[in-house]
Amino acid sequence: EAGVTQSPTHLIKTRGQQATLRCSPISGHTSVYWYQQALGLGLQFLLWYDEGEERNRGNFPPRFSGRQFPNYSSELNVNALELEDSALYLCASSLFLVGANVLTFGAGSRLTVL
Amino acid sequence: AQTVTQSQPEMSVQEAETVTLSCTYDTSESDYYLFWYKQPPSRQMILVIRQEAYKQQNATENRFSVNFQKAAKSFSLKISDSQLGDAAMYFCAYIRLRLTTDSWGKLQFGAGTQVVVTP
Repeated sequence: EAGVTQSPTHLIKTRGQQATLRCSPISGHTSVYWYQQALGLGLQFLLWYDEGEERNRGNFPPRFSGRQFPNYSSELNVNALELEDSALYLCASSLFLVGANVLTFGAGSRLTVL
Repeated sequence: AQTVTQSQPEMSVQEAETVTLSCTYDTSESDYYLFWYKQPPSRQMILVIRQEAYKQQNATENRFSVNFQKAAKSFSLKISDSQLGDAAMYFCAYIRLRLTTDSWGKLQFGAGTQVVVTP
């Protein structure tokens, strides 16, 4: 069974540009979560999508957005990139509602903003 | 406010020895889940162990076991017979069971503890 896959592995952008990161969940999982892992800050919850709807978002500005497609894959968009957006972006999937259902993570996309 | 605290930035252990990682959390809830995740240099977060708060029995997975002290809000991870492959960053995480719009789906992580295994 394929795990959670993310692309690209690495992405280099300059300040002000836009970045798009993609995630394919485990087959059968309807929920996709995005986390930001910046150096020294641990994992910060970004977004949760389920059945194509945004269910919750963390304390991030609106320039962080995303969507979930009918096949449950997801993309995260970061507009007007700032230097502090440099981080590892982790995608995870689960059956609906983590807790009773376990999160399975991808290997992440490393975004570098110059 | 920090919900999950890991006070040890780094722990070193020799092969075959035992190491214990500490985690404390802040909550007024009675029903919640706690997790330990491992992040090796490959970056992929891997679930090590999960504990339901309503279960008094400590969870165990092979060489990994937890000491769950609900009253003290403590959830430590013990790695027995440490192996070189155990070297990684370990994260403690919490999520409440009660659904609220604020907490829904939001797994909260500690800052992590780097485990170094020496031969």
